[in-house]
Amino acid sequence: NAGVTQTPKFQVLKTGQSMTLQCAQDMNHEYMSWYRQDPGMGLRLIHYSVGAGITDQGEVPNGYNVSRSTTEDFPLRLLSAAPSQTSVYFCASRGLAAQETQYFGPGTRLLVL
Amino acid sequence: AQSVTQPDIHITVSEGASLELRCNYSYGATPYLFWYVQSPGQGLQLLLKYFSGDTLVQGIKGFEAEFKRSQSSFNLRKPSVHWSDAAEYFCAVGAGQAGTALIFGKGTTLSVSS
Repeated sequence: NAGVTQTPKFQVLKTGQSMTLQCAQDMNHEYMSWYRQDPGMGLRLIHYSVGAGITDQGEVPNGYNVSRSTTEDFPLRLLSAAPSQTSVYFCASRGLAAQETQYFGPGTRLLVL
Repeated sequence: AQSVTQPDIHITVSEGASLELRCNYSYGATPYLFWYVQSPGQGLQLLLKYFSGDTLVQGIKGFEAEFKRSQSSFNLRKPSVHWSDAAEYFCAVGAGQAGTALIFGKGTTLSVSS
């Protein structure tokens, strides 16, 4: 049971490039979400999903795209990277019941030049 | 809209002293409330959570938090701080369907002096 895994751990992009941050969980969780963490800003919700085929926007969705084709995977796509997207990205998942704990992945550190 | 305020950006506490980290939330219904801790370069670890019932919640590592609806607060406490408690602490409220998506405060950095 690996929990929530994220790849890559670190990535450098040039402005305008696209990339996909991978997130997978092996706990059969319905709910998954993406956050970005910036100094002094805490974690801010980008997108979330309540099940395969269902996604919704969070606080800061602009410039990001998500899809949920399977229960296990929830990739985050940067369509055209900008320096403002330099951040640490965390994926999280949780079971069906509201009382269940939300588990976070180890994070992906992204630098956009 | 839901929001979380952590008024203290940085707190320094002597080792062995008591600790209280403040958290105020804005939410229309009964909130789901959480405290997470993040050590440098690490992910987030859940300390404790409140959904309903007893307003005093016990968590891991000797932490507790008290939900006060009248004050819209969910303050984190520890009676005796250890040097290993130095970290960043985040309060969060559950939003969205069944409280799935979390709205975080901006965090409080705790330093522990010897």
